[in-house]
Amino acid sequence: GEDVEQSLFLSVREGDSSVINCTYTDSSSTYLYWYKQEPGAGLQLLTYIFSNMDMKQDQRLTVLLNKKDKHLSLRIADTQTGDSAIYFCAESAMDTGRRALTFGSGTRLQVQP
Amino acid sequence: DTGVSQDPRHKITKRGQNVTFRCDPISEHNRLYWYRQTLGQGPEFLTYFQNEAQLEKSRLLSDRFSAERPKGSFSTLEIQRTEQGDSAMYLCASSPISSFDNNEQFFGPGTRLTVL
Repeated sequence: GEDVEQSLFLSVREGDSSVINCTYTDSSSTYLYWYKQEPGAGLQLLTYIFSNMDMKQDQRLTVLLNKKDKHLSLRIADTQTGDSAIYFCAESAMDTGRRALTFGSGTRLQVQP
Repeated sequence: DTGVSQDPRHKITKRGQNVTFRCDPISEHNRLYWYRQTLGQGPEFLTYFQNEAQLEKSRLLSDRFSAERPKGSFSTLEIQRTEQGDSAMYLCASSPISSFDNNEQFFGPGTRLTVL
């Protein structure tokens, strides 16, 4: 079955780049997503990448996918205090016919001023 | 606000009571999902509807849980005979049916359930 793992915590200084990592186990064609969750709020979809892509850039966000190693990363350039939140990696193995997302446990990003 | 809405936002109940939560998806979104999130964990999938048809159910959805989407619009999630282990945030998400299907799911704010 699918399994998604993330490191628990990352602390960076304001203005630095943040890199949040994720590994997944499913080998089928899939979409991979990054969600952001702030305290008391729901999940906000930040970006996604399909498994036949290596990289996707969207403003300050860069997603890198190493399909061979099943490793996904989210880079946030010029990290701001407003980026402090929990970031979840999620996988969708749609070619199995399932639509359920499998989430990691989340990485808490703390941005120091 | 045209996002996913959930009601109530918080529910405190005593063990053994039944509770029901409501989710209103983004209008014109045919697909609706329920997830459960416990403290320190990511969301876990419970069930999925396409229009009024329930197409996927997780093994987490025990026989005390039932979800409905009778008219293909809003959905309800009922938990019967609640247990303390049911305490969690219950999240609803919706997504459209489109020719470019990337399974983007848009989440509501959640209903936090506390079972005493």
